[in-house]
Amino acid sequence: ETGVTQSPTHLIKTRGQQVTLRCSSQSGHNTVSWYQQALGQGPQFIFQYYREEENGRGNFPPRFSGLQFPNYSSELNVNALELDDSALYLCASSPMGGRQETQYFGPGTRLLVL
Amino acid sequence: AQSVTQPDIHITVSEGASLELRCNYSYGATPYLFWYVQSPGQGLQLLLKYFSGDTLVQGIKGFEAEFKRSQSSFNLRKPSVHWSDAAEYFCAVEANAGNMLTFGGGTRLMVKP
Repeated sequence: ETGVTQSPTHLIKTRGQQVTLRCSSQSGHNTVSWYQQALGQGPQFIFQYYREEENGRGNFPPRFSGLQFPNYSSELNVNALELDDSALYLCASSPMGGRQETQYFGPGTRLLVL
Repeated sequence: AQSVTQPDIHITVSEGASLELRCNYSYGATPYLFWYVQSPGQGLQLLLKYFSGDTLVQGIKGFEAEFKRSQSSFNLRKPSVHWSDAAEYFCAVEANAGNMLTFGGGTRLMVKP
């Protein structure tokens, strides 16, 4: 069974640029969630996708957007990067997106915005 | 809205000593609670979870946690810490809809030889 994978592992961008991060869900999982973890803080929920539709969103501006594909892999896009967007971005998948389900996290993508 | 507080940012214990990491939550309904561990350069690994029933929950790696509704707490314990337990620990509560998690700020555990 393949776990959650994310690419790239590290990324450096400059302010104002756009970035796309990718996530492959664990086999059999149709729900993916994205979290932002700033240095020294706990992860913060960005949004969740279930069967290619956004299923919930945290307190993040519209320049954070996402996609989920028919194979349940996912992308996180961030436009107009700001310095505060520097963080570890974590992707997590779960079987159905329901309550009480365990979320399985990938290793994350570390983004540095200069 | 739900929130999670982990009062201890850093904790240092000696190898073989017991451990308790504190977690307090704020949530209007029955909370679904989780503890995750994060080792350097890695994602989050689930240690244990509480949904209902027995308030003492057993997890992996010898960890356990006790849910106390009256104190709004879900503290993580281990009777004897190993050097490999050094990591960051996060407590989380699940939102009312779906399974979005709200995390605490984390507690960094250091283990002295």
